[in-house]
Amino acid sequence: DSGVTQTPKHLITATGQRVTLRCSPRSGDLSVYWYQQSLDQGLQFLIQYYNGEERAKGNILERFSAQQFPDLHSELNLSSLELGDSALYFCASSPPEGAQYFGPGTRLLVL
Amino acid sequence: GEDVEQSLFLSVREGDSSVINCTYTDSSSTYLYWYKQEPGAGLQLLTYIFSNMDMKQDQRLTVLLNKKDKHLSLRIADTQTGDSAIYFCAERRDSSASKIIFGSGTRLSIRP
Repeated sequence: DSGVTQTPKHLITATGQRVTLRCSPRSGDLSVYWYQQSLDQGLQFLIQYYNGEERAKGNILERFSAQQFPDLHSELNLSSLELGDSALYFCASSPPEGAQYFGPGTRLLVL
Repeated sequence: GEDVEQSLFLSVREGDSSVINCTYTDSSSTYLYWYKQEPGAGLQLLTYIFSNMDMKQDQRLTVLLNKKDKHLSLRIADTQTGDSAIYFCAERRDSSASKIIFGSGTRLSIRP
């Protein structure tokens, strides 16, 4: 158990819908990262937050957004969902200058 | 190039040693990591090595680092069926947005 929690574990929804994925980092970690893992694209970095502020952006679509709250938990919002958004979404947290610790992921299926 | 490169597949016999290789790109990378992902699970940090080290051993795991060639390897001794997973190599690259750049993963399968 890495100490990073994610909810829900599984999510099934329809095209055009909007979903919110939630992540709680390890105690004391200020950085939260979001990744998308699909079969054909591997592990793609989406976005990073540090202590509530956006720190870095990767290959995140405009339909996706995220935020980190004062209690350091983070949410990833995915809207206008398409079939191709079906993937595993991982959250990771890290201490400053440290390794990233991953949550168990949310499996999203868009039908 | 920009990528951390790994071969996609490796098959070994149970009880043999597995060696998973990785090449990275940034000679100024400070840490290099190995993560393990079992089916349906998240990435689990297995081990890491600081860039001023050549080797790190942790029970059945041995990490070798060749900084000159930017080559990293993970050796798993006495490979067991529970070692079946995808293994990701990653480098810490402070110049990049995400800081940690992952390879595409090597799928290790164990045959009896």
